[in-house]
Amino acid sequence: EDQVTQSPEALRLQEGESSSLNCSYTVSGLRGLFWYRQDPGKGPEFLFTLYSAGEEKEKERLKATLTKKESFLHITAPKPEDSATYLCAVFSGYSTLTFGKGTMLLVSP
Amino acid sequence: GAVVSQHPSRVICKSGTSVKIECRSLDFQATTMFWYRQFPKQSLMLMATSNEGSKATYEQGVEKDKFLINHASLTLSTLTVTSAHPEDSSFYICSARIPGQAVGDGNTIYFGEGSWLTVV
Repeated sequence: EDQVTQSPEALRLQEGESSSLNCSYTVSGLRGLFWYRQDPGKGPEFLFTLYSAGEEKEKERLKATLTKKESFLHITAPKPEDSATYLCAVFSGYSTLTFGKGTMLLVSP
Repeated sequence: GAVVSQHPSRVICKSGTSVKIECRSLDFQATTMFWYRQFPKQSLMLMATSNEGSKATYEQGVEKDKFLINHASLTLSTLTVTSAHPEDSSFYICSARIPGQAVGDGNTIYFGEGSWLTVV
């Protein structure tokens, strides 16, 4: 059974204070690891897909990296509009994704 | 880009009644749609996989007779919560996959905006 654990559960940052979110996973045959952003009361918004260890992807202030056991979402100089819950999910060959519980990020001005 | 639309975004119903939530793919045909349930501060939990023209596949522990799923066309799947009770109150989210693309690419799985159900 695929398992995804995200940490921390919640993170409070000051604007401009860089940090990282962690996603640890246990999966038999990883075919993809995904990061989504979810705003309160909204559906998840796709950010990145990572397929193999060593891969990195960037989008604005976000950079996602992948190892064989975990993924990090690095947030550089965050802004208040980056406040959201960030979800990590894995795909191992079945029809859909297994999600972690998410990290709730709050960036204060 | 592709868009998945859910309706209604919020619904309040009385205990014992049924409520229907619609999930539409607006600019692509979705042979497969997924229904999730999300409790506050919890992860998305897959309820069922909806396949166009066939019966839905339910996850273990999900009551088929309570959560009726119909995928009658390539652009519409519906979730009907029958005889709703307060414990059914939750955030329900659907997602759809563009057919023909590798499922391993998360960019091909699009999520709706979600529907808040409150049973009073």
